[in-house]
Amino acid sequence: DQQVKQNSPSLSVQEGRISILNCDYTNSMFDYFLWYKKYPAEGPTFLISISSIKDKNEDGRFTVFLNKSAKHLSLHIVPSQPGDSAVYFCAASLMEYGNKLVFGAGTILRVKS
Amino acid sequence: KAGVTQTPRYLIKTRGQQVTLSCSPISGHRSVSWYQQTPGQGLQFLFEYFSETQRNKGNFPGRFSGRQFSNSRSEMNVSTLELGDSALYLCASRYTGQETQYFGPGTRLLVL
Repeated sequence: DQQVKQNSPSLSVQEGRISILNCDYTNSMFDYFLWYKKYPAEGPTFLISISSIKDKNEDGRFTVFLNKSAKHLSLHIVPSQPGDSAVYFCAASLMEYGNKLVFGAGTILRVKS
Repeated sequence: KAGVTQTPRYLIKTRGQQVTLSCSPISGHRSVSWYQQTPGQGLQFLFEYFSETQRNKGNFPGRFSGRQFSNSRSEMNVSTLELGDSALYLCASRYTGQETQYFGPGTRLLVL
């Protein structure tokens, strides 16, 4: 049962433009969502998070939007830079699960210069 | 503040052997979780420890076990290794009361 889905395996964006990464979830009880960036053979690096009581959170070039009715969240990166090229994972957690993170399959972002 | 550290970074074992991986959390973090990443299954939760107690366990066989010490350092053990156990094993730590988990660089395990 895949509770967190990232339906786009890859995304290619021109440097300076906006990157939008999407994530859908099925469990409406999830109460916290996170985005991680990962390079091959390295651990995920935390980018930004959002609580289920909010619908938007910003941190510099990164903004996460949460649409609870659609069970959808997205990560916007503006402006995109070549160094942003990596795999991006969406993750969700639920206090009842003891903060176990449920990950999506990841989206490969390629920012072209 | 130093990040999460994991040792060893790379490991090669043969089927049937056992392996122990180590994780040192960020100073002050008392919760440690373990995850397995494989190309086929993605990132999957193994277990979480807090104050030396396992609080949650993922859907893995009993060959996968772990423990946490009083200084919050954690180890995970895999016994009777199978080829399918080849993966990147990631450790993450979290500060009590906060939900963000911070990951270490991982241990790459290859089972031959």
